[in-house]
Amino acid sequence: DGGITQSPKYLFRKEGQNVTLSCEQNLNHDAMYWYRQDPGQGLRLIYYSQIVNDFQKGDIAEGYSVSREKKESFPLTVTSAQKNPTAFYLCASSIGDSSGNTIYFGEGSWLTVV
Amino acid sequence: AQSVTQPDIHITVSEGASLELRCNYSYGATPYLFWYVQSPGQGLQLLLKYFSGDTLVQGIKGFEAEFKRSQSSFNLRKPSVHWSDAAEYFCAVGGAGNNRKLIWGLGTSLAVNP
Repeated sequence: DGGITQSPKYLFRKEGQNVTLSCEQNLNHDAMYWYRQDPGQGLRLIYYSQIVNDFQKGDIAEGYSVSREKKESFPLTVTSAQKNPTAFYLCASSIGDSSGNTIYFGEGSWLTVV
Repeated sequence: AQSVTQPDIHITVSEGASLELRCNYSYGATPYLFWYVQSPGQGLQLLLKYFSGDTLVQGIKGFEAEFKRSQSSFNLRKPSVHWSDAAEYFCAVGGAGNNRKLIWGLGTSLAVNP
């Protein structure tokens, strides 16, 4: 089935450690996104990519990094510089970044700092 | 400022009852409007969207929404709620631009009593 796969579903990290969240899509979409979701705050955009080897910061990029070496993959690294990383992270994609294109979401990854 | 307001943080309805979830927006240009649903611990799924044309939009799972420009609203409705509709519902607004610039509401949590 076509879709977006995020892994792991649950992840625990010790303070001071970097962690990488995986996002793979087989929808042949050019645009990919990472969102952070906190209770009562809705979705906030971390990074987005419109094409391979190109990505841009979203609204809350500090403490995060991404890469886009392949069209289907857009991993997110939560670095030790992110002061409050415990959250639910959502990866998404669309055919293109135009508002006319539906955004499809993965099932999310829970990150907890212990 | 551009914004989306979902006035109801939490709503409880009885199974079989009708439902209306409110969404108000502030947007300087012609808006593109979306409703997404999120089951607990899952990703978001598009219910419906409005770009232009008929202001009453039909979506999946028996949902519909009506765009009222004069009221800056895009309320979501369902005539008869099922227990499986219990979830978080998000309204989002964008323009004839980019998905990355979508503005998200904070969500309405729907509980359904048997």
